[in-house]
Amino acid sequence: EAGVAQSPRYKIIEKRQSVAFWCNPISGHATLYWYQQILGQGPKLLIQFQNNGVVDDSQLPKDRFSAERLKGVDSTLKIQPAKLEDSAVYLCASSFNSYEQYFGPGTRLTVT
Amino acid sequence: GENVEQHPSTLSVQEGDSAVIKCTYSDSASNYFPWYKQELGKRPQLIIDIRSNVGEKKDQRIAVTLNKTAKHFSLHITETQPEDSAVYFCAVRNGNQFYFGTGTSLTVIP
Repeated sequence: EAGVAQSPRYKIIEKRQSVAFWCNPISGHATLYWYQQILGQGPKLLIQFQNNGVVDDSQLPKDRFSAERLKGVDSTLKIQPAKLEDSAVYLCASSFNSYEQYFGPGTRLTVT
Repeated sequence: GENVEQHPSTLSVQEGDSAVIKCTYSDSASNYFPWYKQELGKRPQLIIDIRSNVGEKKDQRIAVTLNKTAKHFSLHITETQPEDSAVYFCAVRNGNQFYFGTGTSLTVIP
């Protein structure tokens, strides 16, 4: 089966600019997660969707981050405005049962 | 929230030896404990997992053990090979949240 797809793979922006990431989960996976992985650290969960509804966004910095999954399949994560500390790899994962997660290749964001 | 600690942060073993990585957690309500392998520049990949109603699970050269009373779980890799070299992350599911450890960089020396 095809894996989780993400784009772009790399993005370089200046601080205060905006950026959006896209994720296409594995077909049939109802649960979708966005993680932030700062270099040298483990992934940190930002938001979890079940179909098109938000299950948990308690660690999402809502003043600058937003995410949506309008039709319950693809999802976008947006940062506006970006800060230097947002430099990280943004990982999308999906799951068919909210336990086993399958990760995408990630988007490496550099904020200068 | 949950507090996950992972040790050691780096581990070097000779090829053929065993490697053990340990994680501790704080909330007894946590119920699912996966391990991920992440090679440099690549995505984390699930290699083994265990649920709170099981004490041990094995898959070929890798195994995971869970001690619910002590709130710790460990990854065991036997007969290590150079391709086992990677960063390994433990994770804990607590409610709807997943909390990851800080990672262990494993180097298998040929």
